[in-house]
Amino acid sequence: DIVMTQSPDSLAVSLGERATLNCKSSQSVSSSSNNKTFLAWYQHKPGQPPKLLIYWASTRESGVPDRFSGSGSGTDFTLTISSLQAEDVAVYYCQQYYSSPPTFGQGTKVEIK
Amino acid sequence: QVQLQESGPGVVKPSETLSLTCSVSGDPLSTYYWSWIRQPPGKGLEWIGYIYYSGSASYSPSLKSRVTMSVDTSKNHFSLELKSVTAADTAVYYCARGIAANATVWFAPWGQGTQVTVSS
Repeated sequence: DIVMTQSPDSLAVSLGERATLNCKSSQSVSSSSNNKTFLAWYQHKPGQPPKLLIYWASTRESGVPDRFSGSGSGTDFTLTISSLQAEDVAVYYCQQYYSSPPTFGQGTKVEIK
Repeated sequence: QVQLQESGPGVVKPSETLSLTCSVSGDPLSTYYWSWIRQPPGKGLEWIGYIYYSGSASYSPSLKSRVTMSVDTSKNHFSLELKSVTAADTAVYYCARGIAANATVWFAPWGQGTQVTVSS
């Protein structure tokens, strides 16, 4: 199985400031044959189901604010919230879908400083 | 827009079978891979498996011996059975639509989730 490791475990950021969340896979989740990276990011707020934010490592899901952006390839990935809003308080998970079984990181909790 | 809703008992006795159903509205079950994911208390997300509308399924290797999924296209729902449950199976169980890519899927949207507690 591909192991996904996120860092940090938790992050406190001031409103309006940038939040940078990291995700690392135990092996590459990028394909050289089609130049795609099989990595998704989810936002999970208390009492709500997880919500897809990003897929293909950098493609925003419809309706997701453009302050959320994803980057990276191979084994190292970043989710950036460019200007943190109060409603962004949540746990964020990365997930690889390069190989079965699909696996998630342990999550990064984002709070307001 | 597609919506998913889990249903089933909130409490299951140890050694018994956990049974959940996910009702799907706004989307026929064809085309996608209909999935189950769980989150034990204080822990992260764990994929359980998915089923295609044809009935073909893929399960997590760690749960494969205890899991069965089924699909009923006439009722537009799919189901999960997990046998011989223990306290370690206590979790919030989510159903989700799986979107296929390469060997597996990503998930959108998700159902609201249902808490299942294993307790006598």
